[in-house]
Amino acid sequence: GENVEQHPSTLSVQEGDSAVIKCTYSDSASNYFPWYKQELGKRPQLIIDIRSNVGEKKDQRIAVTLNKTAKHFSLHITETQPEDSAVYFCAASANQAGTALIFGKGTTLSVSS
Amino acid sequence: GAVVSQHPSWVICKSGTSVKIECRSLDFQATTMFWYRQFPKQSLMLMATSNEGSKATYEQGVEKDKFLINHASLTLSTLTVTSAHPEDSSFYICSARRQGRSNQPQHFGDGTRLSIL
Repeated sequence: GENVEQHPSTLSVQEGDSAVIKCTYSDSASNYFPWYKQELGKRPQLIIDIRSNVGEKKDQRIAVTLNKTAKHFSLHITETQPEDSAVYFCAASANQAGTALIFGKGTTLSVSS
Repeated sequence: GAVVSQHPSWVICKSGTSVKIECRSLDFQATTMFWYRQFPKQSLMLMATSNEGSKATYEQGVEKDKFLINHASLTLSTLTVTSAHPEDSSFYICSARRQGRSNQPQHFGDGTRLSIL
């Protein structure tokens, strides 16, 4: 089955700096890669996703890149703000209704002002 | 607004009690729903895939007799934690994706925080 590795487990940056979180996956059949932000005690919130027919996607300060050959994908947050502080999870799955998301272990991002 | 509703949001009960958690898709049909468990400061771990009208598929290490899943309709899946013990205390969360559509994200419920005394 799919295995998703995520690094780093914790990341501390100064406000305004960029943050990068990296993930690798094992199953070459996976073709859907979302990123979630989770605040304590709440549901994961989808912040951006990318499918395997695309190499990069951007939404304002957030971008995701995908390297299918190397089986890795990354989240980039620019101009970080204190409200970006949260736990971020990457995930992977085949993009079919009956296929579960497999999550990385998460990255705790702390943005200090 | 929420498209997947999960109930209850918080349960505290005595050891040995069975607890039922409901997951409903509000405005779409879902032949498949997913149940995850999340311990404090850890990731979401897939427990099982709930299939409408058939048996659930459990991940390795998850006891099917301990965690009973029923998916009797296209909008409702239930997870029953039977004879719960303190080690079952966790955050349980379900998700679903709109049936018959590709390129749709998973929608998560708000989760259920289960505390067994």
